[in-house]
Amino acid sequence: EVELLESGGGLVQPGGSLRLSCAASGFRFSNSGMSWVRQAPGRGLEWVSGITGSGGATDYRDSVKGRFTISRDNSKNTLYLQMNSLRVDDTAVYYCAKGDRLTDYWGQGTQVTVSS
Amino acid sequence: DVVMTQSPLSLPVTLGQPASISCRSSQSLVYTDGNTYLNWFQQRPGQSPRRLIYKVSNRDSGVPDRFSGSGSGSDFTLKISGVEAEDVVLYYCMQGTHWPFTFGQGTKLEIK
Repeated sequence: EVELLESGGGLVQPGGSLRLSCAASGFRFSNSGMSWVRQAPGRGLEWVSGITGSGGATDYRDSVKGRFTISRDNSKNTLYLQMNSLRVDDTAVYYCAKGDRLTDYWGQGTQVTVSS
Repeated sequence: DVVMTQSPLSLPVTLGQPASISCRSSQSLVYTDGNTYLNWFQQRPGQSPRRLIYKVSNRDSGVPDRFSGSGSGSDFTLKISGVEAEDVVLYYCMQGTHWPFTFGQGTKLEIK
């Protein structure tokens, strides 16, 4: 059974940093692209970043480029999202999702709140 | 970035009757490998999204056969052949062809 467990969310001040983690199990992690998707309160889904199975290619939505970094440790079956220079409009539930072009399984999400 | 436009954003439905959601992309979603990476997701309140349909028309395991996807190029449709009460939630289309990937705005079904 595929399981994705996000952690690392919390309350941070504008300009601060957080690192999200996603522990994966139930599938061959190193063979799967992965994605981070977020959802602000009462809003729609917003793709944030993706990474290929090897980690050799990554991409980001424009609003987080230069501030967020996606990475993975295939030896630990874990996906990361380093978020720096956080802004109020980064406040959202952040979901880890298996796959990139074909995101199929999603975690339960971790809340990130950016507020002073 | 590819813009995904869903319509309608709110869809009044009658239980037992069919329903249809449109999703249009600002450019073709045919990838260089010949596949079209257009997916549909359902989201219930307080829950994570669940994928229903992948690559336009492939239904995920466990998804009732009243759900179907169709379309090509830049014009896609999700159909529910006969809406049941549990279907009256949110639906999103998503393109996975062009990075950065993008979602539609979401369509909320509601009881008429």
